[in-house]
Amino acid sequence: DAEITQSPRHKITETGRQVTLACHQTWNHNNMFWYRQDLGHGLRLIHYSYGVQDTNKGEVSDGYSVSRSNTEDLPLTLESAASSQTSVYFCASSSSEGPYEQYFGPGTRLTVT
Amino acid sequence: GENVEQHPSTLSVQEGDSAVIKCTYSDSASNYFPWYKQELGKRPQLIIDIRSNVGEKKDQRIAVTLNKTAKHFSLHITETQPEDSAVYFCAALGGYQKVTFGTGTKLQVIP
Repeated sequence: DAEITQSPRHKITETGRQVTLACHQTWNHNNMFWYRQDLGHGLRLIHYSYGVQDTNKGEVSDGYSVSRSNTEDLPLTLESAASSQTSVYFCASSSSEGPYEQYFGPGTRLTVT
Repeated sequence: GENVEQHPSTLSVQEGDSAVIKCTYSDSASNYFPWYKQELGKRPQLIIDIRSNVGEKKDQRIAVTLNKTAKHFSLHITETQPEDSAVYFCAALGGYQKVTFGTGTKLQVIP
């Protein structure tokens, strides 16, 4: 069965370190998204991609970067982790041709100390 | 860009009663409105969606209504059960297939 996975599921890192969160989907979806979820803010879009070599900034992109070298993967990098980036991160994917339902990964809980 | 507002932020109902969650959106070009349910510690999952050419959609105990003129849409859950307790998110799909989420409603169904 098609799925979307994230790794690691939990990560503790120190301020200033570079961190990469992995997202892998086997839906063959062109669209992929990264969100962060914080209490009171819902799901906020960090970066998104509509296909290989395409990346776009979302509403909270500062301090994050992504790259899309193939259809299946969209890794999220925190260049220099900050305590404000402690959050739960969700990756999602959707078809570019519809239906537009987003399928979410299980999430990564990141703690920056 | 799109702005989605969701109310209430918390909702408590007695088992068997109905629950209603309301959302408004700002971009008149938005044409797809999904609702997601997120149980504690789990990922959001789609429970129902509606497209802009439809005014209402039902799936067993849940229904969604859309008023394009007023730019608001609502989720209705009837005969609530304890397993309906979760956080519910509305969302709107605007330009470039980008989805904007509301801030969520924590629904508690009291047995």
